[in-house]
Amino acid sequence: EVQLVESGGGLVQPGGSLRLSCAASGFTFSSYTMNWVRQAPGKGLEWVSDISRSGNVIYYADSVRGRFTISRDNAKNSLFLQMNSLRADDTAVYYCVRGYCTGTNCLDYWGQGTLVTVSS
Amino acid sequence: DVVMTQSPLSLPVTLGQPASISCRSSQSLVHSDGNTYLNWFQQRPGQSPRRLIYKVSNRDSGVPDRFSGSGSGTDFTLKISRVEAEDVGVYYCMQATHWPPLTFGGGTKVEIK
Repeated sequence: EVQLVESGGGLVQPGGSLRLSCAASGFTFSSYTMNWVRQAPGKGLEWVSDISRSGNVIYYADSVRGRFTISRDNAKNSLFLQMNSLRADDTAVYYCVRGYCTGTNCLDYWGQGTLVTVSS
Repeated sequence: DVVMTQSPLSLPVTLGQPASISCRSSQSLVHSDGNTYLNWFQQRPGQSPRRLIYKVSNRDSGVPDRFSGSGSGTDFTLKISRVEAEDVGVYYCMQATHWPPLTFGGGTKVEIK
């Protein structure tokens, strides 16, 4: 069974940093592109970033480019999101999501999410 | 970026009746490889999103056959043939043809009358 378990969320002050992690199991992690998608409270879904299987191709949404860094450790079946210079509008539930989106497994499995709250 | 526009925002439906959600893109979603990368997601209250449909009309494993997707170019539709109580939630369309970025519609809330 595919499982994606996020951790690392919490309350952080504006300008602060946080590192999210996602532990993957139930599939060959190194064979899949991985994504972060977020959802602000009461709002819709926003794609944040994705990273290729080997980690050599990375894309970011304009809203986070230069502040967030996605990475992965295939040996540990883990995905990460380093978030710096956090702002109030980064407050959201962050989901770890599997899939390469010009393929059949585009965003096919989602984690339960971890809540990041940016507030003083 | 491709803008995805869903309608209606809210859809009250009687149990057992059909429901239809529209999704329009600001440009054609036909990829250079000939495929159309338009997906539909369901988010039940308090849950993570779940993919229902990929590439316009392909149902995911375990998705009831009362859900169907159709459309082409810039106009797409998700239909529920007979709404059940478990279908309550918010539905999102998403395009992956013109990625990055992936872009989602604003969501349609399905509720029971």
